[in-house]
Amino acid sequence: AQRVTQPEKLLSVFKGAPVELKCNYSYSGSPELFWYVQYSRQRLQLLLRHISRESIKGFTADLNKGETSFHLKKPFAQEEDSAMYYCALSGRKAGNMLTFGGGTRLMVKP
Amino acid sequence: GAGVSQSPSNKVTEKGKDVELRCDPISGHTALYWYRQRLGQGLEFLIYFQGNSAPDKSGLPSDRFSAERTGESVSTLTIQRTQQEDSAVYLCASSPTLADYEQYFGPGTRLTVT
Repeated sequence: AQRVTQPEKLLSVFKGAPVELKCNYSYSGSPELFWYVQYSRQRLQLLLRHISRESIKGFTADLNKGETSFHLKKPFAQEEDSAMYYCALSGRKAGNMLTFGGGTRLMVKP
Repeated sequence: GAGVSQSPSNKVTEKGKDVELRCDPISGHTALYWYRQRLGQGLEFLIYFQGNSAPDKSGLPSDRFSAERTGESVSTLTIQRTQQEDSAVYLCASSPTLADYEQYFGPGTRLTVT
């Protein structure tokens, strides 16, 4: 079975502070990991995926297979980063369906 | 271009009634997915379509749930004899093919069963 865990429901930081949103997964194979974001009154959208190894809006995430983690990081948070963040896993089964974590609400205070 | 659209945006129904939720994917997207999000929880996968075929229906919560898709276009998710535990936001997503990992999500339908 595949499972994604985001241990923090809420993360509150001040503008300019570093941010780390935690994600742990369980999967017996080589998963594809993603971060999706939902800004206020907007629809869920892809932020980044581990296979592309890119930085989007200053965010990066590294897949650590030893720790089965895919934490999302940003060195200096901005107020516009406030949103719901979901970590997701695709095990290449069931048409690449995604298994989502419970989400973390990031609040960046001025 | 137009994104994924869903209708209705909100639906309030009485327990025991049937409801039908609609999803219009992005034109040309062959893969379509339905998810459910209960309050305070993550998204739960329900079913996917490749074209108008749904190869795996095991994610549907019960036999009261069914889904159809017309060609590579509109999909409907039907819930019969609704129960209060069916209250959730139902999200639809589409992608160009099953091999594409990026899924484009609709705004969702908020279903409330009273």
